[in-house]
Order: sequence, then structure tokens, then C-alpha cells
Amino acid sequence: SYDLTQAPSVSVSPGQTATITCSGDKLGNRHCSWYQHKAGQSPVLVIYHSVKRPSGIPERFSGSNSGNTATLTINETQALDEGDYYCQTWDRTSLIFGGGTKLTVL
Amino acid sequence: QVQLVESGGGVVQPGRSLRLSCAASAFIFSNYGMHWVRQAPGKGLEWVAVIWDDGSHQYYADSVKGRFTISRDNSKNTLYLQMSSLRADDTAVYYCARDMQRGISANGIDFWGQGTLVTVSS
Repeated sequence: SYDLTQAPSVSVSPGQTATITCSGDKLGNRHCSWYQHKAGQSPVLVIYHSVKRPSGIPERFSGSNSGNTATLTINETQALDEGDYYCQTWDRTSLIFGGGTKLTVL
Repeated sequence: QVQLVESGGGVVQPGRSLRLSCAASAFIFSNYGMHWVRQAPGKGLEWVAVIWDDGSHQYYADSVKGRFTISRDNSKNTLYLQMSSLRADDTAVYYCARDMQRGISANGIDFWGQGTLVTVSS
């Protein structure tokens, strides 16, 4: 089975850049999505196709994917960006989620 | 505004069955693949199952294969998850979610429901 690995937590100061990574074997050959999940709410898609941003998602959110690592970058991080972030890829018969990264803005 | 509203969660004893429903609105339900994704307490997101837009294909996570059945009624804009032989480790919030294409796609999930809690306990 295919596995995606994320760091459990990342901390960033307000206004700084947050970088959240997701690792998997030759992940750059697959597309990757990213979801923001805040406690008590439904997950929200913030990046799909590795680099595309859905309508309504601020331009501060961007994605990249190369080699074995996909990256979610949040510029000018705000307190409201706190939450859990999950990467996700796919194969013909399943979706695969990373373990999630808790982003703390302090 | 796309809406996905789950129902059917609750407390159930180990070994028993439960059926979840997800009512979809404000989009052409029959044009999209649909997923169930769950989150156990204190854990991350876990994909459970997918069904193609026309119901022609269904796939399952190994953890639920043979116990859970995903289905849909496009005439009622409703997605279902029939869960049997439930175990304590099936305790989770279950989310209904829309794929961006007909089945599983590289694009992933663009809309999620609010979730329904299933607790398996004696």
C-alpha cells in the first residue's frame, strides 16, 4: 500500500510563512490535494492537482509537488489558519490521506 | 450552495449494524463520484469507500471490506453506507464527500458534509 508521511505539528508566528510537507515514494508523479480541518467543522479543500487553488481560497495558500515531497505553503499566516492540514493522493481504487499536521500560529 | 447532510449515526453495540445516509442538494448528484471518509477520536482522516456516479463501481478500504457497503439512489439524491459487524474501532465521525469527477480522481474531494458520529460500544 502507498503511504503519505506528514510531520505531526508545525508552529509559525503570525505574518510569517508556514511550510507543511507531505512525503511519499515518487509523490511528484502523482497529484496531491490539501485539506484544512478545524475542530468541529468539515474539512475544506485548499489545494488540488498539487498546485491549484479552489475559488474562495486566499492567494496566501499555494502548493508544489516534486520528487518525493509535496508542500503546502501559507504566506502571511494568520491566526485563523490554525488547524489540522491533511495531504491526500489517490490510486485507481482508493484515496490515501497523510496522517495530518497540526498548524499552530503563536 | 452544495449541501451534503449526513444522518443515521448513533450508539450501537459491537457486532450490530447501522445505515448512514447522506442527502445531497444544489448540484447534479448523478454526475459525481461520492466518498465516505471517517475520523476516529483523536485520529486523522481515513478514507472508507467510494462509489462511481452511476453506481457502476465501488471500492473499499481494507479495514471495512466485507463489512461495509456503499450505495446510492440517484433518483433521491442520496448516498448510503450500510455498516455491519461493527467493531469498537469503527467509532468515528463519518463524512459524506463529493469527488470532483465521476469516481476517484486526481482532483480529490471538493465538498464535505458536516459528519455524523457513530459510537460502537456495549
